[in-house]
Amino acid sequence: ELKVEQNPLFLSMQEGKNYTIYCNYSTTSDRLYWYRQDPGKSLESLFVLLSNGAVKQEGRLMASLDTKARLSTLHITAAVHDLSATYFCAVHDQGAQKLVFGQGTRLTINP
Amino acid sequence: SAVISQKPSRDICQRGTSLTIQCQVDSQVTMMFWYRQQPGQSLTLIATANQGSEATYESGFVIDKFPISRPNLTFSTLTVSNMSPEDSSIYLCSATGVRTNEKLFFGSGTQLSVL
Repeated sequence: ELKVEQNPLFLSMQEGKNYTIYCNYSTTSDRLYWYRQDPGKSLESLFVLLSNGAVKQEGRLMASLDTKARLSTLHITAAVHDLSATYFCAVHDQGAQKLVFGQGTRLTINP
Repeated sequence: SAVISQKPSRDICQRGTSLTIQCQVDSQVTMMFWYRQQPGQSLTLIATANQGSEATYESGFVIDKFPISRPNLTFSTLTVSNMSPEDSSIYLCSATGVRTNEKLFFGSGTQLSVL
Protein backbone atom coordinates (compact mmCIF):
# COMPACT_ATOMS: atom_id res chain seq x y z
CA GLU A 1 0.00 0.00 0.00
CA LEU A 2 1.35 3.39 -1.01
CA LYS A 3 2.06 5.71 1.90
CA VAL A 4 2.95 9.38 1.61
CA GLU A 5 4.57 11.36 4.39
CA GLN A 6 5.23 15.06 4.50
CA ASN A 7 7.40 16.97 6.86
CA PRO A 8 7.26 19.23 8.59
CA LEU A 9 3.53 19.28 9.29
CA PHE A 10 3.68 22.81 10.65
CA LEU A 11 6.12 25.50 9.65
CA SER A 12 6.32 29.06 10.85
CA MET A 13 8.86 31.23 9.17
CA GLN A 14 9.79 34.83 8.61
CA GLU A 15 9.45 36.74 5.41
CA GLY A 16 12.57 36.71 3.33
CA LYS A 17 13.77 33.30 4.52
CA ASN A 18 14.14 30.10 2.51
CA TYR A 19 12.74 26.75 3.49
CA THR A 20 11.95 23.30 2.12
CA ILE A 21 9.01 20.95 2.56
CA TYR A 22 9.69 17.25 2.05
CA CYS A 23 7.44 14.55 0.65
CA ASN A 24 8.46 10.90 0.95
CA TYR A 25 6.53 7.99 -0.55
CA SER A 26 6.81 4.28 -0.09
CA THR A 27 6.41 2.66 -3.54
CA THR A 28 7.28 3.43 -7.13
CA SER A 29 5.12 6.01 -8.85
CA ASP A 30 4.97 7.70 -12.23
CA ARG A 31 3.90 11.15 -11.06
CA LEU A 32 3.71 13.44 -8.08
CA TYR A 33 1.62 16.54 -7.50
CA TRP A 34 1.88 19.58 -5.28
CA TYR A 35 -1.20 21.52 -4.24
CA ARG A 36 -1.90 24.64 -2.25
CA GLN A 37 -4.99 25.09 -0.07
CA ASP A 38 -6.02 28.36 1.55
CA PRO A 39 -8.32 28.23 4.60
CA GLY A 40 -11.89 27.44 3.61
CA LYS A 41 -10.92 27.00 -0.04
CA SER A 42 -10.40 24.15 -2.44
CA LEU A 43 -7.08 22.87 -3.73
CA GLU A 44 -5.05 24.75 -6.30
CA SER A 45 -2.75 22.71 -8.52
CA LEU A 46 0.86 23.95 -8.33
CA PHE A 47 3.04 21.35 -10.03
CA VAL A 48 2.96 17.94 -11.66
CA LEU A 49 6.30 16.11 -11.67
CA LEU A 50 6.54 13.23 -14.11
CA SER A 51 10.12 12.01 -14.22
CA ASN A 52 13.24 11.55 -12.19
CA GLY A 53 15.14 14.77 -11.83
CA ALA A 54 12.17 16.88 -12.84
CA VAL A 55 12.31 20.43 -11.56
CA LYS A 56 9.57 22.99 -11.94
CA GLN A 57 9.47 26.58 -10.76
CA GLU A 58 6.73 29.13 -10.41
CA GLY A 59 7.64 32.39 -8.76
CA ARG A 60 9.13 31.72 -5.33
CA LEU A 61 8.21 28.02 -5.38
CA MET A 62 10.33 25.28 -6.86
CA ALA A 63 9.50 21.58 -6.84
CA SER A 64 11.80 18.68 -7.61
CA LEU A 65 11.48 14.92 -7.81
CA ASP A 66 13.96 12.14 -7.08
CA THR A 67 12.22 8.89 -7.99
CA LYS A 68 15.11 6.74 -6.82
CA ALA A 69 14.92 8.19 -3.34
CA ARG A 70 11.11 8.43 -3.59
CA LEU A 71 11.39 12.01 -2.46
CA SER A 72 10.02 15.31 -3.64
CA THR A 73 10.83 18.72 -2.26
CA LEU A 74 9.00 22.03 -2.42
CA HIS A 75 11.42 24.86 -1.91
CA ILE A 76 10.31 28.34 -0.94
CA THR A 77 12.66 31.18 -1.73
CA ALA A 78 12.52 34.54 0.05
CA ALA A 79 9.11 33.81 1.52
CA VAL A 80 6.36 36.40 1.48
CA HIS A 81 3.19 36.50 3.57
CA ASP A 82 0.99 35.61 0.57
CA LEU A 83 2.51 32.15 0.51
CA SER A 84 0.91 31.28 3.85
CA ALA A 85 -1.29 28.24 3.17
CA THR A 86 -1.40 24.48 3.57
CA TYR A 87 0.65 22.59 0.99
CA PHE A 88 -0.12 19.00 0.04
CA CYS A 89 1.86 16.53 -1.99
CA ALA A 90 -0.03 13.70 -3.67
CA VAL A 91 1.45 10.61 -5.26
CA HIS A 92 -0.14 8.59 -8.05
CA ASP A 93 -0.81 4.99 -7.08
CA GLN A 94 -0.35 3.30 -10.45
CA GLY A 95 -1.96 0.04 -9.41
CA ALA A 96 -5.06 1.55 -7.87
CA GLN A 97 -5.21 4.49 -10.32
CA LYS A 98 -5.72 7.05 -7.62
CA LEU A 99 -3.85 9.80 -5.79
CA VAL A 100 -2.68 9.33 -2.22
CA PHE A 101 -2.25 12.57 -0.32
CA GLY A 102 0.28 13.50 2.29
CA GLN A 103 -0.84 14.95 5.60
CA GLY A 104 -0.25 18.51 4.47
CA THR A 105 2.18 21.17 5.70
CA ARG A 106 0.60 24.22 7.26
CA LEU A 107 2.89 27.10 6.41
CA THR A 108 2.68 30.44 8.21
CA ILE A 109 4.88 33.29 7.06
CA ASN A 110 5.24 36.12 9.51
CA PRO A 111 6.13 39.69 8.53
CA SER B 1 -7.12 23.21 -17.61
CA ALA B 2 -10.59 22.28 -16.42
CA VAL B 3 -13.19 24.29 -14.54
CA ILE B 4 -15.21 22.28 -12.07
CA SER B 5 -18.44 23.66 -10.66
CA GLN B 6 -19.65 22.07 -7.48
CA LYS B 7 -22.85 22.78 -5.61
CA PRO B 8 -24.04 23.41 -3.06
CA SER B 9 -21.02 25.20 -1.63
CA ARG B 10 -22.25 24.63 1.89
CA ASP B 11 -25.23 23.21 3.71
CA ILE B 12 -26.44 22.57 7.21
CA CYS B 13 -28.49 19.40 7.46
CA GLN B 14 -30.42 17.50 10.06
CA ARG B 15 -29.42 14.09 11.28
CA GLY B 16 -31.00 11.28 9.28
CA THR B 17 -31.51 13.26 6.08
CA SER B 18 -29.61 12.99 2.80
CA LEU B 19 -27.79 15.55 0.67
CA THR B 20 -26.84 15.28 -2.99
CA ILE B 21 -23.79 17.18 -4.22
CA GLN B 22 -23.42 17.94 -7.91
CA CYS B 23 -20.21 18.28 -9.88
CA GLN B 24 -20.06 19.67 -13.42
CA VAL B 25 -16.86 19.85 -15.49
CA ASP B 26 -16.56 22.23 -18.43
CA SER B 27 -14.92 19.61 -20.67
CA GLN B 28 -14.95 15.87 -21.09
CA VAL B 29 -12.72 14.15 -18.59
CA THR B 30 -11.62 10.58 -18.20
CA MET B 31 -11.66 10.21 -14.45
CA MET B 32 -13.79 11.80 -11.75
CA PHE B 33 -13.24 11.32 -8.06
CA TRP B 34 -14.91 12.25 -4.78
CA TYR B 35 -12.83 13.12 -1.72
CA ARG B 36 -13.64 13.94 1.87
CA GLN B 37 -11.59 16.35 3.96
CA GLN B 38 -12.35 16.46 7.65
CA PRO B 39 -11.44 19.64 9.55
CA GLY B 40 -7.70 20.18 9.68
CA GLN B 41 -7.03 16.88 7.94
CA SER B 42 -5.76 15.68 4.61
CA LEU B 43 -7.91 14.36 1.77
CA THR B 44 -9.35 10.87 1.77
CA LEU B 45 -10.64 9.31 -1.43
CA ILE B 46 -14.23 8.13 -1.16
CA ALA B 47 -14.65 6.64 -4.61
CA THR B 48 -13.90 6.85 -8.30
CA ALA B 49 -16.98 7.77 -10.29
CA ASN B 50 -17.12 5.54 -13.38
CA GLN B 51 -19.08 6.69 -16.39
CA GLY B 52 -21.97 4.36 -17.09
CA SER B 53 -21.16 1.89 -14.34
CA GLU B 54 -21.02 1.55 -10.58
CA ALA B 55 -18.49 3.63 -8.71
CA THR B 56 -15.36 2.06 -7.24
CA TYR B 57 -15.33 2.63 -3.49
CA GLU B 58 -12.34 2.82 -1.18
CA SER B 59 -12.06 0.83 1.98
CA GLY B 60 -14.36 2.21 4.63
CA PHE B 61 -16.85 3.71 2.19
CA VAL B 62 -19.96 1.89 0.91
CA ILE B 63 -22.48 2.52 -1.81
CA ASP B 64 -25.47 2.55 0.53
CA LYS B 65 -23.99 5.46 2.46
CA PHE B 66 -22.40 7.33 -0.45
CA PRO B 67 -24.24 6.54 -3.67
CA ILE B 68 -22.55 8.08 -6.70
CA SER B 69 -23.78 8.62 -10.21
CA ARG B 70 -21.90 9.56 -13.37
CA PRO B 71 -24.28 9.58 -16.31
CA ASN B 72 -21.81 11.16 -18.75
CA LEU B 73 -18.22 12.38 -19.13
CA THR B 74 -18.77 15.79 -17.53
CA PHE B 75 -21.18 15.29 -14.61
CA SER B 76 -21.30 13.37 -11.35
CA THR B 77 -23.25 13.41 -8.11
CA LEU B 78 -22.42 12.21 -4.62
CA THR B 79 -25.18 11.61 -2.09
CA VAL B 80 -24.44 11.51 1.61
CA SER B 81 -27.23 9.36 3.01
CA ASN B 82 -28.76 9.06 6.48
CA MET B 83 -26.39 11.71 7.77
CA SER B 84 -24.92 11.88 11.24
CA PRO B 85 -22.69 14.56 12.82
CA GLU B 86 -19.66 12.41 11.92
CA ASP B 87 -20.37 13.17 8.26
CA SER B 88 -19.65 16.86 8.84
CA SER B 89 -16.80 17.52 6.47
CA ILE B 90 -15.77 19.12 3.21
CA TYR B 91 -16.58 17.03 0.16
CA LEU B 92 -14.53 17.66 -2.97
CA CYS B 93 -15.08 16.61 -6.53
CA SER B 94 -12.05 16.24 -8.78
CA ALA B 95 -11.37 15.34 -12.38
CA THR B 96 -8.57 14.60 -14.78
CA GLY B 97 -8.18 13.66 -18.40
CA VAL B 98 -6.21 14.14 -21.57
CA ARG B 99 -7.16 17.80 -21.82
CA THR B 100 -5.94 18.56 -18.31
CA ASN B 101 -2.38 17.43 -19.09
CA GLU B 102 -2.40 14.87 -16.29
CA LYS B 103 -3.33 17.46 -13.69
CA LEU B 104 -6.07 16.63 -11.23
CA PHE B 105 -8.34 19.62 -10.76
CA PHE B 106 -10.67 20.17 -7.86
CA GLY B 107 -14.07 21.73 -7.47
CA SER B 108 -14.64 24.44 -4.91
CA GLY B 109 -15.91 21.93 -2.35
CA THR B 110 -19.07 21.47 -0.32
CA GLN B 111 -18.86 22.25 3.36
CA LEU B 112 -21.40 20.04 5.12
CA SER B 113 -22.48 20.44 8.72
CA VAL B 114 -24.82 17.88 10.25
CA LEU B 115 -26.70 18.81 13.40
